[in-house]
Amino acid sequence: DSGVTQTPKHLITATGQRVTLRCSPRSGDLSVYWYQQSLDQGLQFLIHYYNGEERAKGNILERFSAQQFPDLHSELNLSSLELGDSALYFCASSAGLGKETQYFGPGTRLLVL
Amino acid sequence: GIQVEQSPPDLILQEGANSTLRCNFSDSVNNLQWFHQNPWGQLINLFYIPSGTKQNGRLSATTVATERYSLLYISSSQTTDSGVYFCAVDPNSGYSTLTFGKGTMLLVSP
Repeated sequence: DSGVTQTPKHLITATGQRVTLRCSPRSGDLSVYWYQQSLDQGLQFLIHYYNGEERAKGNILERFSAQQFPDLHSELNLSSLELGDSALYFCASSAGLGKETQYFGPGTRLLVL
Repeated sequence: GIQVEQSPPDLILQEGANSTLRCNFSDSVNNLQWFHQNPWGQLINLFYIPSGTKQNGRLSATTVATERYSLLYISSSQTTDSGVYFCAVDPNSGYSTLTFGKGTMLLVSP
């Protein structure tokens, strides 16, 4: 158990819908990262928040957004869902800003029908 | 961006055999981690190893940062070692993000 929690574990929805994925980092960690794992793109970085502020953006679509709240949990919002958004979405956390281990949560498996 | 290449892409072993997985990266890095993704999809941290050598039980890893590669050694493999092994690096970009390789899929048969 990494100490990072993600909910829900599984999500099935329809095209055009909007969903919210939730992540709670390890106790004391200030950084939260979101990654997407799909069959065609592999594992890729989406976005990084540190202590409530966005720090870096990767290959995140405009239909996707995220935020980190004062209690340090984070939410990833996916809207106007398409079939190709079906993937495993991971949240990771680390204590600070780089040069340290990122600990990954169990992931949320999203299926868009 | 930084390129991360893992080899071999697939590996089939008999239980008890040893193996070496390789990760090459194209630029200097702040961070290098090895992960095991089990058949249930969970990503398990194996090593944080931007340089040097570490050992944890039957697993060990070595990163030679000046030559831009890392090796993961699995000794006396067990069926529970099956899964995909990923190498991920954080380049010296000023941002703390991981770029993953495509992984090595390992199958250990009894």
